[in-house]
Amino acid sequence: DGGITQSPKYLFRKEGQNVTLSCEQNLNHDAMYWYRQDPGQGLRLIYYSQIVNDFQKGDIAEGYSVSREKKESFPLTVTSAQKNPTAFYLCASTAGQVSYEQYFGPGTRLTVT
Amino acid sequence: GNSVTQMEGPVTLSEEAFLTINCTYTATGYPSLFWYVQYPGEGLQLLLKATKADDKGSNKGFEATYRKETTSFHLEKGSVQVSDSAVYFCALSDRGSQGNLIFGKGTKLSVKP
Repeated sequence: DGGITQSPKYLFRKEGQNVTLSCEQNLNHDAMYWYRQDPGQGLRLIYYSQIVNDFQKGDIAEGYSVSREKKESFPLTVTSAQKNPTAFYLCASTAGQVSYEQYFGPGTRLTVT
Repeated sequence: GNSVTQMEGPVTLSEEAFLTINCTYTATGYPSLFWYVQYPGEGLQLLLKATKADDKGSNKGFEATYRKETTSFHLEKGSVQVSDSAVYFCALSDRGSQGNLIFGKGTKLSVKP
């Protein structure tokens, strides 16, 4: 089955540690995205990548980093510089065709204490 | 810039009631419009979409019509079920913004038996 996988579902870290969230897709989509969602809030764009080896900052990129070495993979690193890292993180992808609908993974809930 | 405004929640309905969730947008050009649904602890799922004026998107009994004259894309369902309880997000994409989605803040729907 085609889709987007994110792992792990739940992640716990101590303050001051970097942590990497995985996102893999087998949809053959060119573009991939990372969003952050806080309780009761909408989605905020962290980073996106339209093509392999290229990515752009979204609205809240500070304290995060990404890489796009393969079309299928777009890992997100939450660094110790991110002041409030506890949140629900969603990865998405799109073929970038006429209507640009995005398909989402199941999310990773990160808790930093 | 582009934006999406959704009615504030939460919305509480009894089973079999009629549902309307209002969504209006501001955009340059001719955006595509989407409704996504998020069940607790999960990622977003595309519910329906419309790519041009007067298009009607429909899925699982939900409908929304792309109204360019009123810049609206209201979500409706004739008879809600308890299983429809979720958070609903309206979104638009504009080719001018590289196809990135702009999301509303979401509307939480609770359906009581």
